[in-house]
Amino acid sequence: QKEVEQDPGPLSVPEGAIVSLNCTYSNSAFQYFMWYRQYSRKGPELLMYTYSSGNKEDGRFTAQVDKSSKYISLFIRDSQPSDSATYLCAMSGNTGGFKTIFGAGTRLFVKA
Amino acid sequence: GAVVSQHPSWVICKSGTSVKIECRSLDFQATTMFWYRQFPKQSLMLMATSNEGSKATYEQGVEKDKFLINHASLTLSTLTVTSAHPEDSSFYICSAIRDSGGFFGQGTRLTVV
Repeated sequence: QKEVEQDPGPLSVPEGAIVSLNCTYSNSAFQYFMWYRQYSRKGPELLMYTYSSGNKEDGRFTAQVDKSSKYISLFIRDSQPSDSATYLCAMSGNTGGFKTIFGAGTRLFVKA
Repeated sequence: GAVVSQHPSWVICKSGTSVKIECRSLDFQATTMFWYRQFPKQSLMLMATSNEGSKATYEQGVEKDKFLINHASLTLSTLTVTSAHPEDSSFYICSAIRDSGGFFGQGTRLTVV
């Protein structure tokens, strides 16, 4: 079993839709949870960063962490064609110098 | 703005030569940096953890003699791909952790011909 599971998609939605992206994990030591957006041939860009359980909102993006279920989500409201990218979840703990483990990434296409 | 700067952004080299990639943390000190490799349409695979002032920690299956890592200062880590071969062609990315999250460099696309 992989430490982090993420559906690679692709996920295709119409413009304006609410997008839900999810990851599950197995390591209960993870405490830091991140979502990255990566455009083709570019490095990942940090979107959201959450410590432990709870919700965090930033503009059209909302990140949720449920440590009891080992499940994290990223919601994108009013999705735009410019949101089309690969979204990677990532997580780390206090051990190993905060070594970060990534999900496979979900490819998202937002159609105009 | 960028908090981690990586250079060069792309490089083409001949088989058998060595290539050095630099990763710098901007306006913060990073005692630990990470080097990743990413093949097309795949996720990031951790290659090694770079520790300032000590040897890097390599992930299983990564050749430490081929991928030399030097973390000489609190703001700079370098990855040198030695005796590069076409199968080393990939996207290499570094990252550093600060209190607001993990930040990545722009990545280096290496093509070995």
